[in-house]
Amino acid sequence: EPEVTQTPSHQVTQMGQEVILRCVPISNHLYFYWYRQILGQKVEFLVSFYNNEISEKSEIFDDQFSVERPDGSNFTLKIRSTKLEDSAMYFCASGGETGDTQYFGPGTRLTVL
Amino acid sequence: GQQLNQSPQSMFIQEGEDVSMNCTSSSIFNTWLWYKQDPGEGPVLLIALYKAGELTSNGRLTAQFGITRKDSFLNISASIPSDVGIYFCAGLMNNNAGNMLTFGGGTRLMVKP
Repeated sequence: EPEVTQTPSHQVTQMGQEVILRCVPISNHLYFYWYRQILGQKVEFLVSFYNNEISEKSEIFDDQFSVERPDGSNFTLKIRSTKLEDSAMYFCASGGETGDTQYFGPGTRLTVL
Repeated sequence: GQQLNQSPQSMFIQEGEDVSMNCTSSSIFNTWLWYKQDPGEGPVLLIALYKAGELTSNGRLTAQFGITRKDSFLNISASIPSDVGIYFCAGLMNNNAGNMLTFGGGTRLMVKP
């Protein structure tokens, strides 16, 4: 069964460093999302991406964040200058024809020291 | 922003018992999704509901989309130890491209063999 994959599974970085989190969505899906989950809390929406552009973003997704689909398969989230409070699990999700049913990847645990 | 109130926050039950959890909101949602999350992993989609009043089953799981479109419940029948995990409801306000999922706070299920 097709699934969303994410790399790396765990990323440790120093405050102020740039990180890129990578995702390979399900191959025939058209809608792509990033969510994050701070330890012990609920999953929070960051950004959605459709037709090669951002379609919606939350307050969390400030100008330190960017997303890109550099080729036909990868979808990346970049954090330019990480802060301690960016430490969380970051989940990529993708959706099919209408994007309402979203399938999540296993997540990348980001630890900012 | 929209809020989903999920209850109960946690349940500790005996293997074989039935379980019920629900989500309510003051806002109308057009799609309800139920996910299960195991520790350190991504949410796994269990059931998707698209129409008010819809009742859908997936094995021992049954979920319903409330008539008012402001609530949904998930039932698990004859629980087994592998049902342990955190169950999240998630709602979609409309089915337009790029719309974000709003997650409930989760129900932590513990099953005693």
